[in-house]
Amino acid sequence: KQEVTQIPAALSVPEGENLVLNCSFTDSAIYNLQWFRQDPGKGLTSLLLIQSSQREQTSGRLNASLDKSSGRSTLYIAASQPGDSATYLCAVGHQAGTALIFGKGTTLSVSS
Amino acid sequence: GAGVSQTPSNKVTEKGKYVELRCDPISGHTALYWYRQSLGQGPEFLIYFQGTGAADDSGLPNDRFFAVRPEGSVSTLKIQRTERGDSAVYLCASSLSLAGGEQFFGPGTRLTVL
Repeated sequence: KQEVTQIPAALSVPEGENLVLNCSFTDSAIYNLQWFRQDPGKGLTSLLLIQSSQREQTSGRLNASLDKSSGRSTLYIAASQPGDSATYLCAVGHQAGTALIFGKGTTLSVSS
Repeated sequence: GAGVSQTPSNKVTEKGKYVELRCDPISGHTALYWYRQSLGQGPEFLIYFQGTGAADDSGLPNDRFFAVRPEGSVSTLKIQRTERGDSAVYLCASSLSLAGGEQFFGPGTRLTVL
C-alpha cells in the first residue's frame, strides 16, 4: 500500500530564505506526482505536476524534482515571502487517472 | 465557471440526518473525484467518476455514502444517517481526462454533524 510522508511537519523561516520541502513515497511505481498549496480553511491549489518520466518542473520561484527510484520528491522555494505561508501537500498518482494519495503536508510560516 | 465549485460551503446537521453535497467541475473535465479531509490530515480518496460511471468507489467508508453523476457533469455526494465521525471537509476535484491529468480542486464543503 502506497504511503506518502512529508518532513518536516512544520517549518518557520525568515523572509528571503530559500527552502526545501521533502516528500517520500513507499512504492516507486507511480504515474505522476503533484504538489499543492492549501491556505487555512480553503481548498487545494495545484502548484506543479510531474509525470513519472520527468525529473523536474519549474514555475516561477518554485521547482519540484522527482527521483522515482529513491521514492523522493522535493519542492524548492526560492526567496521566500510572507505570502508563501501555507500548508504544502504532496500527492502521488499510482496509475493513470486514479485518485491521488496524499501526505499530511508541511505547514510553512515565512516571517517578515 | 472558471474553477471547480462546491455547495454548500458549510453544512451543519444533526446526527442521523441525510445530507447532499454538490460539486460542479470545470467545464469539459470528464474525470471527477471526491476526497475527505480531516483536521491535520491530507485528503483521503472516496470515489471517482469517468463520465457518468463510478470508475472506483473503493474509498467510500460504508454503505451510508453514495455518489452520483447522472449527466457526466455535476456530481452529488449523499450521506445517509450521518454520524459525528462524518464531520470533515469534503473536497471535489476534476481533471481533463483519466490519462494522468492535473487535478483541480474546489473550495470544499465543511460538514459538521452535531
